[in-house]
Amino acid sequence: DGGITQSPKYLFRKEGQNVTLSCEQNLNHDAMYWYRQDPGQGLRLIYYSQIVNDFQKGDIAEGYSVSREKKESFPLTVTSAQKNPTAFYLCASSIQGSRETQYFGPGTRLLVL
Amino acid sequence: GENVEQHPSTLSVQEGDSAVIKCTYSDSASNYFPWYKQELGKRPQLIIDIRSNVGEKKDQRIAVTLNKTAKHFSLHITETQPEDSAVYFCAATQGGSEKLVFGKGTKLTVNP
Repeated sequence: DGGITQSPKYLFRKEGQNVTLSCEQNLNHDAMYWYRQDPGQGLRLIYYSQIVNDFQKGDIAEGYSVSREKKESFPLTVTSAQKNPTAFYLCASSIQGSRETQYFGPGTRLLVL
Repeated sequence: GENVEQHPSTLSVQEGDSAVIKCTYSDSASNYFPWYKQELGKRPQLIIDIRSNVGEKKDQRIAVTLNKTAKHFSLHITETQPEDSAVYFCAATQGGSEKLVFGKGTKLTVNP
């Protein structure tokens, strides 16, 4: 999982602002995922992508958007429509043939100013 | 959809004792059950996993057991050490998909 990087480590968002979280992996993994973690809530799936140029909504996609233009990259945009964005955001990836075995990046903590 | 319940939410043990964390799942089609350890502010780390065709798996001091009939699986940590202190999450695949549904976590504290 050392091959999955997320940036920035901390991100501050102002009211009405869209912000983008970066996730990059050099593991040649096919599938990538975004999770949101709130205290006492576990991890909840926002979006996932199995191949380039394709992605699906997870359980809490409202207020978020993603793109998958390159195999290595899966950025997440938190839009102004997400009214409660303060959380720890985790990106994960997995390899074809064992997609359920997911490895996580170090996370981005998003705070609202 | 899949629902994963995890108990207890907090667990405190003395160093050297054993710790057991239990999870139940609802989807009988779930076939993969990983356990993650997350230290404060860090990423979740996969520590052990089990597939539905296996009843038990062990890796040094940690083991996982699966009861498909009862739809529950458990993490067992023996000879606990202070560095085992962390939040542990169980998860289960949603049906036959790759999507994981996570429990809400157990905060384990090992007292020296």
